[in-house]
Amino acid sequence: EVRLVQSGAEVKKPGESLKISCQGSGYTFTDFWVAWVRHLPGKGLEWMGIIYPDDSDTRYNPSFKGQVTLSADKTISAAYLQWSSLQVSDAGTYYCARPGRSGSGSYYDALDIWGQGTMVTVSS
Amino acid sequence: DIQMTQSPSSLAASVGDRVTITCQASQDISTALNWFQQKPGKAPMLLIYDASQLQTGVPPRFSGSGSGTHFTLTISSLQPEDAATYSCQQSDLLPLTFGPGTLLHIK
Repeated sequence: EVRLVQSGAEVKKPGESLKISCQGSGYTFTDFWVAWVRHLPGKGLEWMGIIYPDDSDTRYNPSFKGQVTLSADKTISAAYLQWSSLQVSDAGTYYCARPGRSGSGSYYDALDIWGQGTMVTVSS
Repeated sequence: DIQMTQSPSSLAASVGDRVTITCQASQDISTALNWFQQKPGKAPMLLIYDASQLQTGVPPRFSGSGSGTHFTLTISSLQPEDAATYSCQQSDLLPLTFGPGTLLHIK
């Protein structure tokens, strides 16, 4: 079974750092990009950026560039989303997803596999 | 960035009704349009890709149409399990962008 499994919920204070993970299984992790999508309470979904685990090539949404860092460790089939200094406005649920519907390997492919989401709470 | 808008923002319909949700792109995206269903506390699920192609495993009561800037998602006969938020997403140009979502209630 093709799966993306994310790390568990986090509770942090403003100014703290955080790194959440997304573990792929059931497919060749290095053949597909991994996207990150933010869902703030009561808001729509936002595409944050995407990383190719084979060489860590990355594309950021300009709205998130400089605010977060995407990384990957292909040896353990994991992708990561990292903050160096969280803000209250970062509280929400974060999803990783694979653009793999057609198997083309393009980051424009439809997001067919999603992680279960990681809820991040930021409060003083 | 390509802006995506949806209408209505919410609606309530009865079991068996035909439901249509519309999505508009701020510029021509051909058929690079996907639809997702999301239930509370769950990850989004791909329903329709390339504007009109049904994702494997999705019931055939769901269908999509449109090209250019105007798209629709139709549920031909609403079922109780279809209560969810539906979002469109363009996959023509980075950054990929989603619509604000349409919340569908069952009466």
